[in-house]
Amino acid sequence: DAGITQSPRHKVTETGTPVTLRCHQTENHRYMYWYRQDPGHGLRLIHYSYGVKDTDKGEVSDGYSVSRSKTEDFLLTLESATSSQTSVYFCAIRSGRDTDTQYFGPGTRLTVL
Amino acid sequence: QKEVEQNSGPLSVPEGAIASLNCTYSDRGSQSFFWYRQYSGKSPELIMSIYSNGDKEDGRFTAQLNKASQYVSLLIRDSQPSDSATYLCAVMASSASKIIFGSGTRLSIRP
Repeated sequence: DAGITQSPRHKVTETGTPVTLRCHQTENHRYMYWYRQDPGHGLRLIHYSYGVKDTDKGEVSDGYSVSRSKTEDFLLTLESATSSQTSVYFCAIRSGRDTDTQYFGPGTRLTVL
Repeated sequence: QKEVEQNSGPLSVPEGAIASLNCTYSDRGSQSFFWYRQYSGKSPELIMSIYSNGDKEDGRFTAQLNKASQYVSLLIRDSQPSDSATYLCAVMASSASKIIFGSGTRLSIRP
């Protein structure tokens, strides 16, 4: 357990509404990541952060934005949710104790109707 | 070409046998390689990491790396029903900022 929590754990929303997912860590890790996981696609990187206010895009960033105003929190926002964003979202941190190793949060299951 | 490729399976192996999972990657500059296990409905958990060519053993698990062939594998000896899961291969990009995952191989251990 790398001290990672995600909220909410489950959410159902309607197309066109904004949605924010939160990732919280307690161990002061520098790197944080947001992935989505869909059948047949494995884990795909959405955005990542390498420090407070320092973020970069991953391979599937369209339709998503992120913010990191504090080391412990990394927020993922869907400005206007679409049905194609129905997925399971995982947050991860990169541990400095174990070289380059990522540890994952419990995930958020998002359904966009 | 996908950056990290795995056979999606399912791979069916009898209990007690050796399960062999394979992964290829495209970024020649990659230096860090990982195997994760994911049970249905759960988050991925790290099994092994490997950084140098050759074999690395941890209990029933052995990771093998061949950078010249851009190939990583995971062997599971004495397979147990509890090993039934999806196994994800992951590679750290040469930029060292992000980790790219394969789509996973579903492993089923039959009693």
